[in-house]
Parts: sequence; C-alpha cells; structure tokens
Amino acid sequence: GAVVSQHPSRVICKSGTSVKIECRSLDFQATTMFWYRQFPKQSLMLMATSNEGSKATYEQGVEKDKFLINHASLTLSTLTVTSAHPEDSSFYICSVIGGSETQYFGPGTRLLVL
Amino acid sequence: AQRVTQPEKLLSVFKGAPVELKCNYSYSGSPELFWYVQYSRQRLQLLLRHISRESIKGFTADLNKGETSFHLKKPFAQEEDSAMYYCALSGSSNTGKLIFGQGTTLQVKP
Repeated sequence: GAVVSQHPSRVICKSGTSVKIECRSLDFQATTMFWYRQFPKQSLMLMATSNEGSKATYEQGVEKDKFLINHASLTLSTLTVTSAHPEDSSFYICSVIGGSETQYFGPGTRLLVL
Repeated sequence: AQRVTQPEKLLSVFKGAPVELKCNYSYSGSPELFWYVQYSRQRLQLLLRHISRESIKGFTADLNKGETSFHLKKPFAQEEDSAMYYCALSGSSNTGKLIFGQGTTLQVKP
C-alpha cells in the first residue's frame, strides 16, 4: 500500500490569512492525489484531483482561486486555502491512488479559521 | 447523477448480533463499490471492494445490480467493529474519483 502523511495535523488562523496544507506520499510515487473536505459528522466531499505536473481538476462548486492546488512532484501535493474565512473551517483530507488502484488516505488536517 | 446513499446515521447492536449496514447507489454505468472504515482517531482505510469478493474481518458485501445495493454484513458483531463506515463508488471512467455516502456509525455494545 501507500503511506500518506499530511502537515500540519491542525492549524488555527485568523480570517483573511492563507493556509498551506501539505500531502506527502512517503513510499509511493503518485501522479494523482485527491483532496477532500469533511464537515463534522458528514461525509467526505471531493474537492479536486491533483495531477503531477499539470493543473488540478476541480469539482463543480469548488473555487479554484480559493483553494490553490500545486502538485510539483510525485510525492507532494499542497492545498492552499487563500483568504480563509470561518466557513472554510473544516477537516481536509488527501488521498493517493496506490497499488491495486486502491486509495490510501492521509490522516487529515483540521483547519479552524477565527 | 452519481449518488451513494447510506440511510442509517447510527446503527447500534449488541456484541454477537448480526450487522447489516445499508448502501444504495445511483450510477448509469458499471460502478466499482467500496466500503471504507474509520476507527476512532484513525484515518480512513479500505475495508473491502466488490471486485475482490473477499471477506475482511468477517465482513462481506455483495453487489446487487438489480437493487443497486452494496450492503455490508457481518454475522456476529464484535466491540472492535465500532467505527464509522462509508460506502463509496468509483465510476467506470477510471479517474479514480470516489463518491462517498454519508456514513454510518456502528456502535457495538458489550
């Protein structure tokens, strides 16, 4: 399988600031990573597909200028929440497609915007 | 439209009782169905996928195309099965994208 890490595990920021979340595939070269958002006691909602070396593909309703995704290498994708507002507070989870086309998930990053 | 529905938010059973977590889907092509589990304070992990047709931790799930269902079953629940269970669908376009159901919390009481 693939081991996926995220950093930071939790972050608190002021409204209007930008926050960067890293997703790393530690033992697998991932050309594709996915970013999800999970509200408390709700399901995971796919935000975007991060493609190594090219632009991310965003799901309908997700603002690409708000949630900037960079997939500069086969082991790292970053999600930057720009000009964060309290409604952006959520749990952000990334995943990697590993062997056998299975998705392996990171531990998640909890974002709280004050 | 692609959709996954898990009608129960919470399922509470006693240890040793049978368990069935319901999952229905809506998809026009040939989907691949999964069950993911999230134990307390742990990350989401794959439990089983329909193409494998295997039993993991005593759980099985059969894809019923006629009823568009993929219910998760276990004959005798254990306390350690208490967790959040998500049914998910991947479409035939092979993008790898997953559509998740709302999740069902399984609580197994001693």
